[in-house]
Formats: sequence, C-alpha cells, structure tokens
Amino acid sequence: DAGITQSPRHKVTETGTPVTLRCHQTENHRYMYWYRQDPGHGLRLIHYSYGVKDTDKGEVSDGYSVSRSKTEDFLLTLESATSSQTSVYFCAISVLLAGGEQYFGPGTRLTVT
Amino acid sequence: TQLLEQSPQFLSIQEGENLTVYCNSSSVFSSLQWYRQEPGEGPVLLVTVVTGGEVKKLKRLTFQFGDARKDSSLHITAAQPGDTGLYLCAGAANAGGTSYGKLTFGQGTILTVHP
Repeated sequence: DAGITQSPRHKVTETGTPVTLRCHQTENHRYMYWYRQDPGHGLRLIHYSYGVKDTDKGEVSDGYSVSRSKTEDFLLTLESATSSQTSVYFCAISVLLAGGEQYFGPGTRLTVT
Repeated sequence: TQLLEQSPQFLSIQEGENLTVYCNSSSVFSSLQWYRQEPGEGPVLLVTVVTGGEVKKLKRLTFQFGDARKDSSLHITAAQPGDTGLYLCAGAANAGGTSYGKLTFGQGTILTVHP
C-alpha cells in the first residue's frame, strides 16, 4: 500500500464548469503522475511532477492543468470541462527503483454531462 | 513517441485453459512491467522484468522479456476465475534520469475466465 488517496471518487459535472481532482500521498515520494483511462487506450499520461512546483505535460495534456504546492498533494484541474473529458482518472507515484515501478490510487470516475 | 501494442484486446476462456498475452514495440525499454486491474480499482503491479531474455514466475503466471528488450509476454497456466481482470503492460524508457520515471502503457487485455 503506497498510501495514495484520490478525491472525489466519483463526480458528475456539467460542460463548461471547472473541476479539480486531488491526489494525496503519505510517503513523500518525489514523482507523481496523472493518467486518464478510457476503453481501448490503456492509461495515458496527462501531467507529471518531479518535485514541488516542478511539473510537465504528458501526451494528453490539452484542457488540463496541474499544481503541486506540497510534496504530498498533486492537483489536476479541468479548466472548463468537456464531454470528451469523461473518463476515469488515476494518480500514481514512482519510487524510481531500478524498474521504475508505479503505484496507483483508487481512481476518480468523472462524468461530464 | 514510444508505443506498446498489446494483444489480444479481449480474451474469454474456460477455467483450466492456458493463455498468453503479448506486448510488442519497435522501441527498446529499460524495463517492462505487468499490472493487473480489477473493476473500480487502480492497477496493481504484478512484476517487473529488466534484463533481456529474463523470465519470472509468479505462481501460475510466467513473464518473459524479449532478448532485445522490445517485447514481453505473460503466460497463465490453468487459468482460474480469480484471474479475471484487465492486464496492462508498461515500459520504462530508462531508469529515472531525464525520463522522470514515465511509463508507456499498452492498451490492455480484458481477460474473462469462465467457471
């Protein structure tokens, strides 16, 4: 158990509204990631962080922003939600062992109507 | 951009049968991981393979990393209903460094094992 929690676990929101998802970890890991999971696409990286206030874009970053003001919290914001952002969002941490293993939170199911 | 092609996308078998899931790429990975995911939960790491040609066994699951570190396979012997789930392969470009631990995931294989 890597001590990763996500909130909320489920959210329904309307098109055009801002949404913020929170990832919280308890073990002070430096590297954190946000993914979205859609059928047939596996997991796709949205943004990642390699330290407090150090973030960068992943492969599907359009429409998303992130912030990391504390080691333990990594926030994902949808500035103006669209129906194409309906998905399941996972947060992960990496301990950067030799194999680069990642450990995942339980996910947030977001529906944009 | 590194890509991982995972096949098959769906697999429906009877209890006791054997199966193999493949993960292929044209890119070289420093390591490759397999994850299993159940509905409503996050992926859980099963194994990491690091060395070309490496074979790891986890009870009835056998994982292999290709000699050139571009492909991997997961073989399940005598599948059981408890093996049902989504299996994901993921490759690491290099161990830390400028890749920041990023992984490339395959599309996943949905396995259903019928009693």
